Parts: sequence; structure tokens; C-alpha cells
Amino acid sequence: GENVEQHPSTLSVQEGDSAVIKCTYSDSASNYFPWYKQELGKGPQLIIDIRSNVGEKKDQRIAVTLNKTAKHFSLHITETQPEDSAVYFCAASISNFGNEKLTFGTGTRLTIIP
Amino acid sequence: DTAVSQTPKYLVTQMGNDKSIKCEQNLGHDTMYWYKQDSKKFLKIMFSYNNKELIINETVPNRFSPKSPDKAHLNLHINSLELGDSAVYFCASSYRTGLVYEQYFGPGTRLTVT
Repeated sequence: GENVEQHPSTLSVQEGDSAVIKCTYSDSASNYFPWYKQELGKGPQLIIDIRSNVGEKKDQRIAVTLNKTAKHFSLHITETQPEDSAVYFCAASISNFGNEKLTFGTGTRLTIIP
Repeated sequence: DTAVSQTPKYLVTQMGNDKSIKCEQNLGHDTMYWYKQDSKKFLKIMFSYNNKELIINETVPNRFSPKSPDKAHLNLHINSLELGDSAVYFCASSYRTGLVYEQYFGPGTRLTVT
């Protein structure tokens, strides 16, 4: 089955700096890669995703890149703010028309230092 | 509010008891899921239902039994609770966008077995 590795497990950055979280996946058939943000005591929230036919996607301060050849994808957060502090999860799945099974990475605890 | 909701938010019970967690979504989604998040924050899928039909059934003890009375509800019943069942359980639902299904999570139910 799919295996997703995520690094680093913890990350602290100064407010205003950029943060990068990296993930690798094992199954070359995976074609959907969402990122989730989980705040304390809440459920994971979908913040951005990328399909395998796209190399990069941006939404305001967050961007995701995908390298299918190397089987890795990354989340980039620019101009970080205190409210970006949370645990971030990457995931991978094979779209199968309702039978998607997301395999999650182990999470990155991001702390923004004011 | 349109959302995925779960009840209860907290559940404390003793070993050997039977308990249920309820999930409802008013997003009009066809597919619903149960995930388990352990103490190390690792998220793993347990079940998924599409239009009340069981689609994914991961390697989960048969003490766990999901039930979907209709498209908007997916309940999780757990028999003979064990200490190792202590975790946060998340319900999610998804809809199709293009070729993939974006998953949206509920707020979670923290189950503590003593």
C-alpha cells in the first residue's frame, strides 16, 4: 500500500519568514495530494491540494509543488503569521471515483515565533 | 451552518462497555468516512461509505461496526471497549470535484477508555 513520509516533524519560524514542509510518497499511481491544517482541538481542515497533472498551485500565501518523478511534494507558506501555528498533514491517494483512501503523513507541528 | 458534525465531542467510558459516536453532514456529499487519530497524531482511515454502501473497510477489529442509515449519517458503534481504543475519532465526508473527491472533516470525538 501507499506510504507517505513527512518532514520535519516540528518546525519553528520567525513571524514573516517562510516555512516549507516536505513529503514523499511510495505509490506512483497516487494522483491526488491534499494538505490539511489541524488546530488544537479541531478537525483537519483542507487548505490546498494538487492533482498529478499539475506541478505547482498557489493560493495567496500558500503554495504546493509536486515532483512526480521524484515522488515528492511540498507545502510552502510565505509571510508566516501567528495564526499559521498548527499541525500540518500531507496526504496522498489514488482517485477512484468514491473509493479514495487518503494515506496521511505523520504531521508537522509548525510554530510561528512572534 | 453547513458542516460535518459529530456527537459527542468527549466520551469517557470503562473497558468492556459499548458506545456509539454519531456523525451527520449537511453538505449533500455522497461519501462518508471514519478516521482514527492516535496519541501521536497519526491519522488512519477505518471505513468509508458511499451512498450507504460500505466501500473501504481497513483492518479494524470487528468490535467496530459502522452504520449508515442514510447518505447524511454515518455512525460508529464500538463493542467491548479496550484501553487501546482511546483516540480521537474523526468523521469526514467528500464530494467529487473533477476526478478527485475532496474530504472535509468533522471536529472529532475524543474517546477515553479507563
